[in-house]
Order: sequence, then structure tokens, then C-alpha cells
Amino acid sequence: DARVTQTPRHKVTEMGQEVTMRCQPILGHNTVFWYRQTMMQGLELLAYFRNRAPLDDSGMPKDRFSAEMPDATLATLKIQPSEPRDSAVYFCASLDTHYEQYFGPGTRLTVT
Amino acid sequence: AQSVAQPEDQVNVAEGNPLTVKCTYSVSGNPYLFWYVQYPNRGLQFLLKYITGDNLVKGSYGFEAEFNKSQTSFHLKKPSALVSDSALYFCAVRDMGRDDKIIFGKGTRLHILP
Repeated sequence: DARVTQTPRHKVTEMGQEVTMRCQPILGHNTVFWYRQTMMQGLELLAYFRNRAPLDDSGMPKDRFSAEMPDATLATLKIQPSEPRDSAVYFCASLDTHYEQYFGPGTRLTVT
Repeated sequence: AQSVAQPEDQVNVAEGNPLTVKCTYSVSGNPYLFWYVQYPNRGLQFLLKYITGDNLVKGSYGFEAEFNKSQTSFHLKKPSALVSDSALYFCAVRDMGRDDKIIFGKGTRLHILP
């Protein structure tokens, strides 16, 4: 049963530290999304890629967030420096050829 | 611009009763519409979709949704609710002008009361 995996599942860090979140999409899915979920803002699209190329990252704060796909099996989301307002659950999802998204379990980030 | 709206933040239904979670959309052209469910501390899971064909779409866990073009709606339904259906439900639409971008509604929390 193919799944999207994300690491770490939980991260607690201090303000100002760098945070790196990783995602392994399902093999063969060539479109990958990063979302952020908070109680206040709901589900927000941060960035997405097709065939490893960024299509849209307008949802990301550009000064501190960056997203990349070094290869087809790895997507990364970095925050540097982190701030308390970045505390959220970050989801990665990959898209199959039937336009169905498969979400990972999420990374719960707490910035103190 | 493509958009989707879920007018209810929360829906309460007694176990065994039928349930409806509402969704309306605004798109240019023919819509691709989806429902996803999120259980506590989990990622979203695909429930069902409408792309073309029969207006009544059947999905996972006994859910179905009815596509209504004249009312631009895609309401999620189930004939008999279970306590285990309690979760957060998201309606979504594919943004046809933006390379597979999927636009999600803000979500509706469904509470099934025993």
C-alpha cells in the first residue's frame, strides 16, 4: 500500500533555529504539494512542484521559507529562521494521474 | 478565479440519521470536484470526486455526493450516519487555469451524536 511519508512527525524548536521537513511522495506521482494547517487559517497551500520544478510558491513567506525537490523521491521544506507564528502542522501530498491527492501524516511543528 | 465554499463550520447529526455537508463552487468551464476527510492527528484522505458522467458519485465509507450544475453545488451525503464519521470534511476544486492546483474549502466539522 503506497503512502506518502514525512519526517519528522514532531518537531519542537526555539525561535531562530532552522527547521527542515522532508517528504517522500508516492513513486510515480510527479506533482507534489506542501500545505500548512492551523486552527486560525485552516489549510493553506504553500508551494507545489511538477516533475521537480516549482509551479507556484506564492503561498510561502519568501524571506524565511524555501521548498525544493532535490530528486523525484524527496521534497524538502525549510524555515530559516523559525518564528513562533510558524507553529502548525505541515502536510505534504502527491497527486496521482486521476487527480486524487495522497497526503502524508504531517509534521507538527512547535516553535517556542 | 476558481473557488469553493463550505457555508457551515460545524454540522451535528444524530447517529443513524442522514447527513449532508454542503459545498458550493465557482469555476470557469467544467469542474473537477473532490471531497476529503481528515480524522484527528491524520492527513487528509480522498473520499470521492466528480469529473464527468453521473451526477451522483459514490465514494468510500458509504458516502456519496451529488453534483448540481444549476446550483453550482456538490453536497456530501450519507443515508445513515455513524459515530465514526465524526471528522473534518473538506470540499475541493481543481483550478483549471493553474496547472493542477487544488483549491480547498475551509472545512466542515461533522459531529455524529450517539
